[in-house]
Amino acid sequence: SQQGEEDPQALSIQEGENATMNCSYKTSINNLQWYRQNSGRGLVHLILIRSNEREKHSGRLRVTLDTSKKSSSLLITASRAADTASYFCATDARGYSTLTFGKGTMLLVSP
Amino acid sequence: EAGVTQSPTHLIKTRGQQATLRCSPISGHTSVYWYQQALGLGLQFLLWYDEGEERNRGNFPPRFSGRQFPNYSSELNVNALELEDSALYLCASSLMGGTGRQPQHFGDGTRLSIL
Repeated sequence: SQQGEEDPQALSIQEGENATMNCSYKTSINNLQWYRQNSGRGLVHLILIRSNEREKHSGRLRVTLDTSKKSSSLLITASRAADTASYFCATDARGYSTLTFGKGTMLLVSP
Repeated sequence: EAGVTQSPTHLIKTRGQQATLRCSPISGHTSVYWYQQALGLGLQFLLWYDEGEERNRGNFPPRFSGRQFPNYSSELNVNALELEDSALYLCASSLMGGTGRQPQHFGDGTRLSIL
């Protein structure tokens, strides 16, 4: 399976701290995307990084991609309680016509 | 701009019954995707429709089916419901031909409970 796998499964931090989540995958990709899911809601697209990019920023989010290691990381800086959610990576793998999602990292940010 | 809308929000059925879930994509989006999110299993890809045609389906039995209408809305049908079909069913839409290169926009899902 080309499914991405997030690590850790769960992460608990205090407001103001940084949160780092990792994603590993198995096959060559066109791009990798990160999504957020608040409890009981749909997923919200956060950021897309293409295979020829190494780093991308969006507000307090920083995503890196290492295609040689088939891994990506999502860094949330200066976290807030409102960042509490599950975070999923999704790979657009070459030869596959749809995104494949990992099982997610549950992030809890305490005030 | 209205987002992806799904109905109903909750659906309770018993084993053996049939369920129909509905999805309206964002205006201008031609691709619609269905996912199953069961507890602890992440998102499992079910079906992808684009321009009225089924383009791909995940590893689910044939009792999971659907269609896309001329206005690009879609419905997912699940026949002969089983207890393990209990899950959150998410619909997403995207621009153009539905390759993963375009971000997907999700609805808030239909919670299907099988008694």
